[in-house]
Amino acid sequence: NAGVTQTPKFRVLKTGQSMTLLCAQDMNHEYMYWYRQDPGMGLRLIHYSVGEGTTAKGEVPDGYNVSRLKKQNFLLGLESAAPSQTSVYFCASTPDVIVKTQYFGPGTRLLVL
Amino acid sequence: DAKTTQPPSMDCAEGRAANLPCNHSTISGNEYVYWYRQIHSQGPQYIIHGLKNNETNEMASLIITEDRKSSTLILPHATLRDTAVYYCIVRVVDQGGKLIFGQGTELSVKP
Repeated sequence: NAGVTQTPKFRVLKTGQSMTLLCAQDMNHEYMYWYRQDPGMGLRLIHYSVGEGTTAKGEVPDGYNVSRLKKQNFLLGLESAAPSQTSVYFCASTPDVIVKTQYFGPGTRLLVL
Repeated sequence: DAKTTQPPSMDCAEGRAANLPCNHSTISGNEYVYWYRQIHSQGPQYIIHGLKNNETNEMASLIITEDRKSSTLILPHATLRDTAVYYCIVRVVDQGGKLIFGQGTELSVKP
């Protein structure tokens, strides 16, 4: 069981470039999440998914898009990267929304120049 | 907005109990209190959660007041490896059960 994995671990982009972050989980979880964490702050929810083929906006969705074509994968896209999107991105998954914990991936560090 | 408030930092001597407080005065009846910790910007690690009863597992104990407006996480014998940022979180049922993180408490365990 690999748990939650994230690809890549680190990336440098120039302003205006695009990229996709991949989150994969092998626990057959229905719910998946993308968070971002800025220095000295707690995590903030970007987008989430309650099942294959579904996505919804979280607290800070602007500038990001997501897709959940397969149950085990949750993709986060930046169409035109901005310096304000420099952050650490964490993916998480859980089998239910109340009593089961969210399992987090190791994070992706993104630097936008 | 975060539904919890925590002290920004605390110190604890190695081997002693670490008691981390959390206020969540606006918690709803069906919302759980979760505790996570984050070490060196790694992914948050689950510690424990509870609804209204006190809970204990191999990592920690969670004491929730009867009115559910506050709770305390107890690490019974803190070690240097427990140095981390600890987040007290109220888990909301809507928005897919998202976790609303505050700024957490930075716990420093000292020799």
